[in-house]
Amino acid sequence: NAGVTQTPKFQVLKTGQSMTLQCAQDMNHEYMSWYRQDPGMGLRLIHYSVGAGITDQGEVPNGYNVSRSTTEDFPLRLLSAAPSQTSVYFCASSLHRDNYEQYFGPGTRLTVT
Amino acid sequence: KQEVTQIPAALSVPEGENLVLNCSFTDSAIYNLQWFRQDPGKGLTSLLLIQSSQREQTSGRLNASLDKSSGRSTLYIAASQPGDSATYLCAVSPSGNTPLVFGKGTRLSVIA
Repeated sequence: NAGVTQTPKFQVLKTGQSMTLQCAQDMNHEYMSWYRQDPGMGLRLIHYSVGAGITDQGEVPNGYNVSRSTTEDFPLRLLSAAPSQTSVYFCASSLHRDNYEQYFGPGTRLTVT
Repeated sequence: KQEVTQIPAALSVPEGENLVLNCSFTDSAIYNLQWFRQDPGKGLTSLLLIQSSQREQTSGRLNASLDKSSGRSTLYIAASQPGDSATYLCAVSPSGNTPLVFGKGTRLSVIA
């Protein structure tokens, strides 16, 4: 198994540009989530999904969209990038939301200028 | 609202020492608690998962304990090595319909 994969590893955007961060898992996990990690703020949940076709907002959802058309993929879209979205983004998955080990991807480091 | 606190934020120890990292949470109604390791510039790696019905879990030189009633967990690392240097995060899975809540981590440096 490849586990949780994320692309790209690094990205630089200009303010106002849009892009999609890709996340995929090959473990047939129902639950997937996106976090951002910032110095001094820890990991904050952006959006999550408990299964294909179902998504919900986390702690900091503004400026981001997600969709879950398949079990394997959970892309994160930045609609109009802002400098405040400069961060490291992690995708995670687990078999179900509750009571199961979480597996994390390697992260995407995003800089918005 | 569940809050997770890790103290200290940073810790430096000489190689070979046994050490304890602390994690506390405000709401004892949890499904499980998970300890992660994060190396600089990398993602999180799961170390140990303790179910709410368990008191401890062990993996090699690592032992994690859970005391739900007091809202505390500890990660014990025996005979520390420079390769243990990393940030260690704990996270709780609250009961109900809320996702994982993370602490901000303890940055550990083991000096050779």
